[in-house]
Amino acid sequence: NAGVTQTPKFRVLKTGQSMTLLCAQDMNHEYMYWYRQDPGMGLRLIHYSVGEGTTAKGEVPDGYNVSRLKKQNFLLGLESAAPSQTSVYFCASSYWASGSSGELFFGEGSRLTVL
Amino acid sequence: SQQGEEDPQALSIQEGENATMNCSYKTSINNLQWYRQNSGRGLVHLILIRSNEREKHSGRLRVTLDTSKKSSSLLITASRAADTASYFCATDQTGANNLFFGTGTRLTVIP
Repeated sequence: NAGVTQTPKFRVLKTGQSMTLLCAQDMNHEYMYWYRQDPGMGLRLIHYSVGEGTTAKGEVPDGYNVSRLKKQNFLLGLESAAPSQTSVYFCASSYWASGSSGELFFGEGSRLTVL
Repeated sequence: SQQGEEDPQALSIQEGENATMNCSYKTSINNLQWYRQNSGRGLVHLILIRSNEREKHSGRLRVTLDTSKKSSSLLITASRAADTASYFCATDQTGANNLFFGTGTRLTVIP
């Protein structure tokens, strides 16, 4: 089992460029999440999805868009990258709503640098 | 911020010693989870404790929860060099639909 797979693992963008991060899970989980991790800030939720075709805003959604067209995939898009979006991005999935009784399964992270 | 706070931010101990890290949070919770993150890797779930539980064990891990003080502690007994990692608490807050992560404790176990 691959679990949660994120691509790409590393990316360097120039300010104003756009890109998409892909998250794929093979555990048939309903819930998927995108977090960003910055030094001293812990993980902060960007967007999440409670099922195929649904998305919702998290704590820090501005500047990002997401789509969940297939249950196994959750895409995170940056429309116009800014240096403040330099971060490590983590995708996670869970069978139940996070915390209800289930754990989150995380990908290995995607390190994005915006110049 | 709805994030929890871990204390200490960094901890360095000798192999074989016990490591204790603490987490404080601000709102009522359904449960609290602890995760581990090795350098450059994703987070891995360690243990979950529900709001009606006071203590839970898993192998060398012992977690306590005091909802009256809004705090939790993670104890790792007989630490090993392989325990070197960052440890995060995450709270499932009442009425929310996601976990709120703390800022983490960086544990270094010296062989």
